[in-house]
Amino acid sequence: SYVLTQPPSVSVAPGQAARITCGGNNIGSKTVHWYQQKPGQAPVLVVYDDSDRPSGIPERFSGSNSGNTATLTISRVEAGDEADYYCQVWDSSSYYVFGTGTKVTVL
Amino acid sequence: EVQLVESGGGLVQPGGSLRLSCAASGFTFSSYEMNWVRQAPGKGLEWVSYISSSGGIKYYADSVRGRFTISRDDSKNSLYLQMNSLRAEDTAVYYCAREASRGSFGYWGQGILVTVSS
Repeated sequence: SYVLTQPPSVSVAPGQAARITCGGNNIGSKTVHWYQQKPGQAPVLVVYDDSDRPSGIPERFSGSNSGNTATLTISRVEAGDEADYYCQVWDSSSYYVFGTGTKVTVL
Repeated sequence: EVQLVESGGGLVQPGGSLRLSCAASGFTFSSYEMNWVRQAPGKGLEWVSYISSSGGIKYYADSVRGRFTISRDDSKNSLYLQMNSLRAEDTAVYYCAREASRGSFGYWGQGILVTVSS
């Protein structure tokens, strides 16, 4: 089965950039999506197709994908960005795979 | 406005059955692939099942294959998940999700809690 690995936590000061990695075997050959989930709420798609943003998602959210690592970058972090973030891909053998999740804490 | 509303959750004993429903509105339900995703308390997201727009293709996670059945009724704009032989490890919030671009989940319901316990 295909596995996606994320760091359990990332801490960042307000106004700085947060970078969340998602590691997987040759993930650069797959299409990566990212979700934000705040406590008690359903996940929200923040980046799709590696680097596109749904309407209503701030430009501060961006994504990249190459080699064995995909990255979600949140620029100019705000207190409201504090949440859990999950990467996700579609794999022909495992179908839909989510990453282990990263808790972003704004200091 | 796209809306997905789950129902049918609750407390069930191990070995029991439960049927979840997801009522869709605000879009042409019959045109979209749909999924169920779950989240155990304090844990991450786990994909559960997929159904194509026609209903002819269904996928399941290994953890539920043979016990869960996904279905849809386009005349009622509804998605279903029949869950049999439930186990304690099936305890989770279950979300229905509408598929978007290239395997992403663009819209989610608010989730419904299923608790499997004696």
